[in-house]
Amino acid sequence: QSALAQPASVSGSPGQSITISCTGTSNDVGSYNLVSWYQQHPDIAPKLMIYEGTKRPSGVSNRFSGSKSGNTASLTIFGLQTEDEADYYCSSYTGSSTFPYVFGTGTKVTVL
Amino acid sequence: EVQLVQSGGEVKKPGESLKISCKGSGYSFSTNWIAWVRQMPGRGLEWMGVIYPGNSDTTYSPSFQGQVTISADKSISAAYLQWSSLKASDSAIYYCARLNFIGGPFDSWGQGTLVSVSS
Repeated sequence: QSALAQPASVSGSPGQSITISCTGTSNDVGSYNLVSWYQQHPDIAPKLMIYEGTKRPSGVSNRFSGSKSGNTASLTIFGLQTEDEADYYCSSYTGSSTFPYVFGTGTKVTVL
Repeated sequence: EVQLVQSGGEVKKPGESLKISCKGSGYSFSTNWIAWVRQMPGRGLEWMGVIYPGNSDTTYSPSFQGQVTISADKSISAAYLQWSSLKASDSAIYYCARLNFIGGPFDSWGQGTLVSVSS
């Protein structure tokens, strides 16, 4: 099972919007609405930001939005803020009983 | 409040054994899955496996099958990740995370356990 493909880095200025892509296959991202996004600041455990493709857990800012088209899921951050600078990982269910999860390669978001 | 608290960092030599823990609180430990995730230095997240503490049903990533053992003790709300013979390449941060169902998100994470293996 190959990792989902994400851009290595994305940057933007405060107040701008950025979008991070997460490309899988018809066996994972394309088949299930079970993509999650995680934010990880340095030396801190990952935090769930988006689940089931578009849903936000309680307490997560509505500046974070998830979407999907075909085999590609996306995370958009609106109104970029300095505290958004972090690594972001997507994850998808694969439907496999022996390998049910795959993570993305990770994207470093830099706020200029 | 859901909490997963992991055991402290470990420094080991190659060939040694190790068992790290993850204790859950604030929710029904037996009826939620626990996953283990590896993060090697400067690298991304890798799913290692999951366990259902209620009946110890366990699934391993093929990449980790035979390399580690995942177990749980529901009586004390703890899950474990263990190695019988560590290698230098096992040096990483290991996270436990909760999920409600297979396919669901990892909605709560432990703080991570740093394992360093060096001669």
